[in-house]
Amino acid sequence: GIQVEQSPPDLILQEGANSTLRCNFSDSVNNLQWFHQNPWGQLINLFYIPSGTKQNGRLSATTVATERYSLLYISSSQTTDSGVYFCAVRPGNQFYFGTGTSLTVIP
Amino acid sequence: EAGVTQFPSHSVIEKGQTVTLRCDPISGHDNLYWYRRVMGKEIKFLLHFVKESKQDESGMPNNRFLAERTGGTYSTLKVQPAELEDSGVYFCASSQKINYGYTFGSGTRLTVV
Repeated sequence: GIQVEQSPPDLILQEGANSTLRCNFSDSVNNLQWFHQNPWGQLINLFYIPSGTKQNGRLSATTVATERYSLLYISSSQTTDSGVYFCAVRPGNQFYFGTGTSLTVIP
Repeated sequence: EAGVTQFPSHSVIEKGQTVTLRCDPISGHDNLYWYRRVMGKEIKFLLHFVKESKQDESGMPNNRFLAERTGGTYSTLKVQPAELEDSGVYFCASSQKINYGYTFGSGTRLTVV
């Protein structure tokens, strides 16, 4: 199956700092989503972004499909941003998830 | 609109027992998916329903797992008998059409002791 790599695997930020999370994938895809798994285990959809750039508040995402990567930007981080961020791609029917970036924002 | 609803949110059972997880997709979403994340590993696909039909069940780990979606509405995932390695978080997702974005439920955390 398709390989999805996320970096960095772990990230610790001071509250207010900015960060960039990266997702590389090994094959062409027609769907890409970013998810946030909060400390309670809930998987929250952040962006549906097979290509281009989207912004939602302090979060934005860019996918360059031709170069097979996507970036998630978090600005002015808050403690509530803590959790695991997953990138998931879908070349066909099912999603393939990366192993996630575990983010801890400290006050 | 109501989101994808899963229950229970958490289940603790003994090895060898049976557990049934339920997922209510967003109304009108024909596509329903089950995924799971076992401890420390990535989230993996289990199966995909289109209405009441199993479109793809290539991710089901073994015959101890049985998924149903009678009437094309809610779905159940039964594990019988449960083993220790089944512990993890089971997610359900739905989408209106295959190439649309998914909406995930909150997951069911299953602990087998």
